[in-house]
Amino acid sequence: EDQVTQSPEALRLQEGESSSLNCSYTVSGLRGLFWYRQDPGKGPEFLFTLYSAGEEKEKERLKATLTKKESFLHITAPKPEDSATYLCAGSSGGYNKLIFGAGTRLAVHP
Amino acid sequence: SAVISQKPSRDICQRGTSLTIQCQVDSQVTMMFWYRQQPGQSLTLIATANQGSEATYESGFVIDKFPISRPNLTFSTLTVSNMSPEDSSIYLCSVEGHNQAGREQFFGPGTRLTVL
Repeated sequence: EDQVTQSPEALRLQEGESSSLNCSYTVSGLRGLFWYRQDPGKGPEFLFTLYSAGEEKEKERLKATLTKKESFLHITAPKPEDSATYLCAGSSGGYNKLIFGAGTRLAVHP
Repeated sequence: SAVISQKPSRDICQRGTSLTIQCQVDSQVTMMFWYRQQPGQSLTLIATANQGSEATYESGFVIDKFPISRPNLTFSTLTVSNMSPEDSSIYLCSVEGHNQAGREQFFGPGTRLTVL
């Protein structure tokens, strides 16, 4: 069964304290690994799509990487406005069905 | 990127009633997706809606409970029928987009449904 697992469930950081979020996946025929940011009461905001092992993408303080079994979202020198839930999802099948992990709730304190 | 709007943004409904949620996209798209996000949980795909054909439902979701319409390439509706408190969730529509960086999937702001 296709599955996406994220860790940790929650992460508290001090402003400027870099860290990484993990996304492990077992998705047959993976067609893309997606990262989203979700703020309370809002829909997920698209961040990245990764397609093959070794691929990396960056956006401001965020960098996403992909291996054959997992993806990491690295947050460098985070700020309080980076506080959100970060979701990863694997895409499989002939259409763009996304299988989501449970998310990591990130809190960055000044 | 696609801009997606949903109506209503939130609603409180009585058990046994039905609610229709609208999703409007600012560009023509082939496939639209409906997801559910139960309180404190992640997103689960309900169904995929293509224009001009029946929606394809995921395991655990049936057409009688969640009928979907897709009358054109920019609009879709999801109805939550005969509601019970267990249907209290955020319902989100999404569409796929493409750019030079690859595939993206965009989400609407969601409809927060509370069933009493």
